[in-house]
Amino acid sequence: DAMVIQNPRYQVTQFGKPVTLSCSQTLNHNVMYWYQQKSSQAPKLLFHYYDKDFNNEADTPDNFQSRRPNTSFCFLDIRSPGLGDTAMYLCATSRLILHHNEQFFGPGTRLTVL
Amino acid sequence: KNEVEQSPQNLTAQEGEFITINCSYSVGISALHWLQQHPGGGIVSLFMLSSGKKKHGRLIATINIQEKHSSLHITASHPRDSAVYICAFPLTAGNKLTFGGGTRVLVKP
Repeated sequence: DAMVIQNPRYQVTQFGKPVTLSCSQTLNHNVMYWYQQKSSQAPKLLFHYYDKDFNNEADTPDNFQSRRPNTSFCFLDIRSPGLGDTAMYLCATSRLILHHNEQFFGPGTRLTVL
Repeated sequence: KNEVEQSPQNLTAQEGEFITINCSYSVGISALHWLQQHPGGGIVSLFMLSSGKKKHGRLIATINIQEKHSSLHITASHPRDSAVYICAFPLTAGNKLTFGGGTRVLVKP
């Protein structure tokens, strides 16, 4: 049974056209993360939510925003995608924020910006 | 110096062979993840361990916190095991993961 679901799995958008990626979870976890993974690179954390508390990484561009309307859903909004935003976007969850809490990853959304 | 080193970077094995992937790190951690990523795919969490050994099917993960070293073993490897295997651990508050560079495994039939 899928526990972390991402939609769509593949998204193509035009340069500058806003796009929203969706993540939902059935685990009732407090924490949700968004990672960006470019080709042949390690995932890079963009931001995370602990409940409704939003935590942005210092080097995340302003172009990237997130919303978490409830425990189950979290959205990644890219306001004006550039060619360099072509990447796999991974959502993950963990029960708590503590170090020994396992992160569960979704299947990812592969975004292509043309 | 990188905080985490994985070896080898690439590994090719014949079906049925025993595979070992190593992860060494230079900082104190409380837990380590082993992750699997198939080509073009998302990430699957295989193990999280903080001591000793864990086994799931043909996969075994071990960790020695004092020696700052972890290994992932694949017994009786199969072509479907072909993937990138990544070790990762939370280094800072907020459970933010630091990722190893990954080991690309190819199992040939």
